[in-house]
Amino acid sequence: GENVEQHPSTLSVQEGDSAVIKCTYSDSASNYFPWYKQELGKGPQLIIDIRSNVGEKKDQRIAVTLNKTAKHFSLHITETQPEDSAVYFCAASRTDSWGKLQFGAGTQVVVTP
Amino acid sequence: SQTIHQWPATLVQPVGSPLSLECTVEGTSNPNLYWYRQAAGRGLQLLFYSVGIGQISSEVPQNLSASRPQDRQFILSSKKLLLSDSGFYLCAWSVLGANYGYTFGSGTRLTVV
Repeated sequence: GENVEQHPSTLSVQEGDSAVIKCTYSDSASNYFPWYKQELGKGPQLIIDIRSNVGEKKDQRIAVTLNKTAKHFSLHITETQPEDSAVYFCAASRTDSWGKLQFGAGTQVVVTP
Repeated sequence: SQTIHQWPATLVQPVGSPLSLECTVEGTSNPNLYWYRQAAGRGLQLLFYSVGIGQISSEVPQNLSASRPQDRQFILSSKKLLLSDSGFYLCAWSVLGANYGYTFGSGTRLTVV
């Protein structure tokens, strides 16, 4: 089955700096890669996703890149703000998996003013 | 628009007592439904998923069971809780048969004492 590894487990950044979280996946048939943000005591929320036919996607301060050959994808947050502090999860799935997502272990992002 | 409801928000139960957590989805039909558990505030472990009424797949052997008595209702149960069942339980839904991201509920914090 699919295995998703996520690094780093913790990331501290100064407000205004950029944050990058990286994930690798093992199943070359995976073709959908969402990212979730989880604030304390809440359920994860989808913030951006990318499919395997696209190499990069951007939404305001958030961008995701995908390298299918190397089987890794990354989340980039620019101009970080204190409200970006949360746990971020990457995930992967394939078309024939009944929509089941395999999640990474999560990254705790702390943005300090 | 689609919404997902999960209750209760918090629950403290003694060891050996039964458990019933309920999740309902509004505004969509035939969703994929999922139960996840999050221990130690980090990783997301898939417990059960369902692609239709009465159709339940278990991902990990647990002291838990799931049922889907109606199209948009998903229930997580236990006959006798263990201390190790403590955690943050999340329900999620996605479009049936498609490779899309989940929408998570707000979660239930279960503490077994």
